[in-house]
Amino acid sequence: HSVLTQPPSASGTPGQRVTISCSGNSSNIGSNDVTWYQQLPGAAPKLLFSGLHQRPSGVPDRFSVSKSGTSASLAISGLQSEDEADYHCSAWDDSLSCPVFGGGTKVTVL
Amino acid sequence: EEQLVESGGTLLRPGESLRLSCEASGFNFEDYTMNWVRQVPGKGLQWVSGINWNGDSLAYADSMKGRLTISRDNANRSLFLQMSGLRAEDTALYYCARVKEGGGGTDYYYAFDLWGPGTLVTVSS
Repeated sequence: HSVLTQPPSASGTPGQRVTISCSGNSSNIGSNDVTWYQQLPGAAPKLLFSGLHQRPSGVPDRFSVSKSGTSASLAISGLQSEDEADYHCSAWDDSLSCPVFGGGTKVTVL
Repeated sequence: EEQLVESGGTLLRPGESLRLSCEASGFNFEDYTMNWVRQVPGKGLQWVSGINWNGDSLAYADSMKGRLTISRDNANRSLFLQMSGLRAEDTALYYCARVKEGGGGTDYYYAFDLWGPGTLVTVSS
């Protein structure tokens, strides 16, 4: 059972906007920034965002993140078929002294 | 090209031991903190263990503490994870991952910016 809470699934049609939530507490998201990973089918996770302002080169700008209090969100605007993947959130946890993850959200493009 | 490649995963019986290896290439391995993260197929990610650049600082997940030893050999650009007393619930794909951290205060982030393809550990009687 994961420390951070994500919905197990999300879906949308091509071109739509999809938002994935990630909920934590004051020891993790409330105290530190959130990292997001994309995991394509059969592949290892790939860093999508490290913190609110850290989008690695090559990540399309249709991906955006936000954070408020102990929750964070990843938004995909203009959903494309290649966005079909699992998305994982993570944050450093000050109480556990380690990074913690959400259970992952499977995004399906209808 | 920056790359991590794990090896050592196999099928074992409960109680057995195993050492996983991760070979790095394409970057200055000794400059980075390295971690192991695991994933039960179809499930979420779980942090397992971490080691700083020179091996002076080690960390382990509470669920596996006492059964793990992480180490590294900077001269040979390699990371290791020795696991003992393996249980069925340790069955997972084990990833080696490079750490990128930054920011400060509530902007502090601890991220994994390079991952290997993973090595599968199966524990079954």
